[in-house]
Amino acid sequence: EAEVAQSPRYKITEKSQAVAFWCDPISGHATLYWYRQILGQGPELLVQFQDESVVDDSQLPKDRFSAERLKGVDSTLKIQPAELGDSAMYLCASGTGSYNEQFFGPGTRLTVL
Amino acid sequence: AQSVTQLGSHVSVSEGALVLLRCNYSSSVPPYLFWYVQYPNQGLQLLLKYTSAATLVKGINGFEAEFKKSETSFHLTKPSAHMSDAAEYFCAVSDRGNRLAFGKGNQVVVIP
Repeated sequence: EAEVAQSPRYKITEKSQAVAFWCDPISGHATLYWYRQILGQGPELLVQFQDESVVDDSQLPKDRFSAERLKGVDSTLKIQPAELGDSAMYLCASGTGSYNEQFFGPGTRLTVL
Repeated sequence: AQSVTQLGSHVSVSEGALVLLRCNYSSSVPPYLFWYVQYPNQGLQLLLKYTSAATLVKGINGFEAEFKKSETSFHLTKPSAHMSDAAEYFCAVSDRGNRLAFGKGNQVVVIP
């Protein structure tokens, strides 16, 4: 069964350092999403791609966060510099757009010290 | 903007008892509605979805949910809880614009 892949699964970094997360969506899925999930809360959308284009990045803190999906397949989310408040689970999801059903990867748990 | 409300962050249920998780939504257009389950340090897995077909939706692991437009609700139920049902459950709504809005979740604890 096809799955969304994410790496790393866990990341510990110090504040002011740069971190990057990678996501490989299910093959053929044109839509890709990055979410941030703070412990005890639901996921919140950071950025949405349709193929290689950003569709929605209204909730992305653009002073420190960036996301790209250069060839419309895999994607990278970067934080520079990391802050203590960035500690969270970062989830990637992909979908075909049908009924907006989204398939989630296992996530990257980020801890900023 | 669409939103969902899940009351009661923690829900305790005895093994074999009914599981009931409540979800109320707000949407300006006929919504798509979803329930996801999340196990510790894992991503979200889709349990079931409502996409304007049958109002009673059956999902995986014995769960089902009923869409009630008059009550703006989409409550999740399972007749008999199993220890493996211990997890966090999220209700989500989409206004058909490819954006999901999630509730705060319910942490389900199953008591042996």
